[in-house]
Amino acid sequence: DTAVSQTPKYLVTQMGNDKSIKCEQNLGHDTMYWYKQDSKKFLKIMFSYNNKELIINETVPNRFSPKSPDKAHLNLHINSLELGDSAVYFCASSRQANTEAFFGQGTRLTVV
Amino acid sequence: ILNVEQSPQSLHVQEGDSTNFTCSFPSSNFYALHWYRWETAKSPEALFVMTLNGDEKKKGRISATLNTKEGYSYLYIKGSQPEDSATYLCASDNAGNNRKLIWGLGTSLAVNP
Repeated sequence: DTAVSQTPKYLVTQMGNDKSIKCEQNLGHDTMYWYKQDSKKFLKIMFSYNNKELIINETVPNRFSPKSPDKAHLNLHINSLELGDSAVYFCASSRQANTEAFFGQGTRLTVV
Repeated sequence: ILNVEQSPQSLHVQEGDSTNFTCSFPSSNFYALHWYRWETAKSPEALFVMTLNGDEKKKGRISATLNTKEGYSYLYIKGSQPEDSATYLCASDNAGNNRKLIWGLGTSLAVNP
């Protein structure tokens, strides 16, 4: 069983489209995260949720909206996709904020 | 702006060599230092979370030390094996930074058989 699973693994889409990336964890963790790996290979935090509540909301465009229907899920919805959104997006979870994190396998988003 | 820096950027060693690399992080409002191992085409895996000055943690042939006063941590690999080839990332948790982890760029290790 995969501890943190995100789907899809690859996503190729056209500019202007709206897309979602799903993330689920079966570890019973309270905290979930979305990271973006930028062109320089940095991991940058985008959002963090603790028990379905938003606790970190970095400066990302409003087109990015996280949704946490329950503690085990944190989905990322992106509106009006732009070329610059192309990146690898990682979901992660941890027992509490900033304890050892478990990462999903990443979603490579390509906007054409 | 809080920065985490890792050196060297990349490293090539022969199988059996021992090696080490450095993570420098802000010492102000320090809370914890994380080490992760990231193999190509996989996702990062946690190695250590360290909080106390002078802390030393070990997992198999990999160990890490922590100096919170001067803001650095060393990761050591004893007797490197080809399967140790990966990027080793550190991330700093500084309580004054709204508890966001600040990640370094990593040290890319290649172990030649």
